[in-house]
Amino acid sequence: QVQLVESGGGVVQPGTSLRLSCAASGFTFSTYTMHWVRQAPGKGLEWVALDGSDKYYADSVKGRFTVSRDNSKNTLYLQMDSLRPHDTAVYYCARALCNGNTCYMDPLDYWGQGTLVTVSS
Amino acid sequence: SYDLTQPRSVSVALGQTARITCGGINIGSKNVHWYQQRPGQAPVLVIYRDSNRPSGIPERISGSNDVSNSGSTATLTISGAQAEDDADYYCQVWDTSAVVFGGGTKLTVL
Repeated sequence: QVQLVESGGGVVQPGTSLRLSCAASGFTFSTYTMHWVRQAPGKGLEWVALDGSDKYYADSVKGRFTVSRDNSKNTLYLQMDSLRPHDTAVYYCARALCNGNTCYMDPLDYWGQGTLVTVSS
Repeated sequence: SYDLTQPRSVSVALGQTARITCGGINIGSKNVHWYQQRPGQAPVLVIYRDSNRPSGIPERISGSNDVSNSGSTATLTISGAQAEDDADYYCQVWDTSAVVFGGGTKLTVL
């Protein structure tokens, strides 16, 4: 069955960096578009980035966050630099429903359980 | 940037019908997806491409998005609401190189 497991969250100071990982299993990872979505405490869902044939980012993270993947390890990454307090959130990785690297309009059909990032001095 | 507007909260009596709206400019021309999120859990896809249900989602959950409506509103309908439908619901679309989520609606089943 499809599984997505995020890791790498923690408490960091403003201005520092952190790299999140998302280990995927149960499907052919290399052929799927993958997303990062975050949720600040008590708030709604906010899309962060996607990795497919192209990479796209939310305006709020553009230039600070970088999404990448290692298909040999079935792992998606999110490199987060210049972290700010408002980046504090649970970060989820999620898979696009359709099998393809340009499935940008498709919904997110599988989600991990999330990893908490807290940015605080 | 594209905005999706949802009511903050909707209440429904047990067994009655709840409707959650998602408003956006020319939303009828977009594929709208809906997610359910229970407290402490990851979101779950409940409706995709306006009106399709993933396997395992009960038939009482349905979606609509009137393509002839130049306005404005997609709707998630929960018929015969059950206690387990008490959750947050988010609509989502793709617009101009970005995924957009609505602000979310808290559905309370009374």
